[in-house]
Amino acid sequence: GAVVSQHPSRVICKSGTSVKIECRSLDFQATTMFWYRQFPKQSLMLMATSNEGSKATYEQGVEKDKFLINHASLTLSTLTVTSAHPEDSSFYICSAPKAGLAERNEQFFGPGTRLTVL
Amino acid sequence: GDSVTQMEGPVTLSEEAFLTINCTYTATGYPSLFWYVQYPGEGLQLLLKATKADDKGSNKGFEATYRKETTSFHLEKGSVQVSDSAVYFCALSGRTGANNLFFGTGTRLTVIP
Repeated sequence: GAVVSQHPSRVICKSGTSVKIECRSLDFQATTMFWYRQFPKQSLMLMATSNEGSKATYEQGVEKDKFLINHASLTLSTLTVTSAHPEDSSFYICSAPKAGLAERNEQFFGPGTRLTVL
Repeated sequence: GDSVTQMEGPVTLSEEAFLTINCTYTATGYPSLFWYVQYPGEGLQLLLKATKADDKGSNKGFEATYRKETTSFHLEKGSVQVSDSAVYFCALSGRTGANNLFFGTGTRLTVIP
C-alpha cells in the first residue's frame, strides 16, 4: 500500500503565531492532495484540495488567507495556519489519491496533526 | 449535493456479537463507496470499498454491499473481536472521476470481552 506521512504529529503554539504542517507521499507521486479537519467526535470535513503547480481549491467557508496551502512538489503539500487562535485547535489530516485505474478514488491518509492553540 | 448519513454511535458489543453499522448516501452519478476505520491514535485506513452497484467489498471479516436501489452501504461483521474497537467512517467519492471524499460522522465501536 501507499504511505503518506505528516509532520509534526502534534504541535502546541501560542495564539497569534503561524504553524506549518507538512504532508508527504513517501512512495508515490501525488498531483493532488486533500486537507481535512476533524473535530472531536465528528467527521472529517474537507478544507481544500491542494494542486501541484496551481492554486489550491478551497471549500466554502474556509478562509484562504487563514489556511495557506502550497503544493511544492509532487510529493509534498504544506498547510500553514496563519495567526492561529484557540478555535483553530483541531486534528488536521491530509490524504492523497494514488493514480492508477484499480486504485482510482482510493485515498491514502496521513496519521494526522493535532494542533493546540493556547 | 453529495452526502453520507451514518448510524450514530457509540455502539458497544460483546465479543463474537454480530455487527451492523448503517450507511446511506445521496449522490449524483455513480460514486464509489468506502468504509474507513480509525483505530485509537492512528490515521484513517481503508477497510473496504465497492465501485459499482451490487459490488460487495470485504476485508478482515467485514462486508458491505453497494445497494443502488436503497442507496445504502451497510457494514456488517458476523463476529466482532476486541481488536475491532475503533471508529468507522462511511464515505463516498465525488462526481465520477473526482477524488474528493464525503464522509459520514463516524461510528465508534467498542467491543468488550
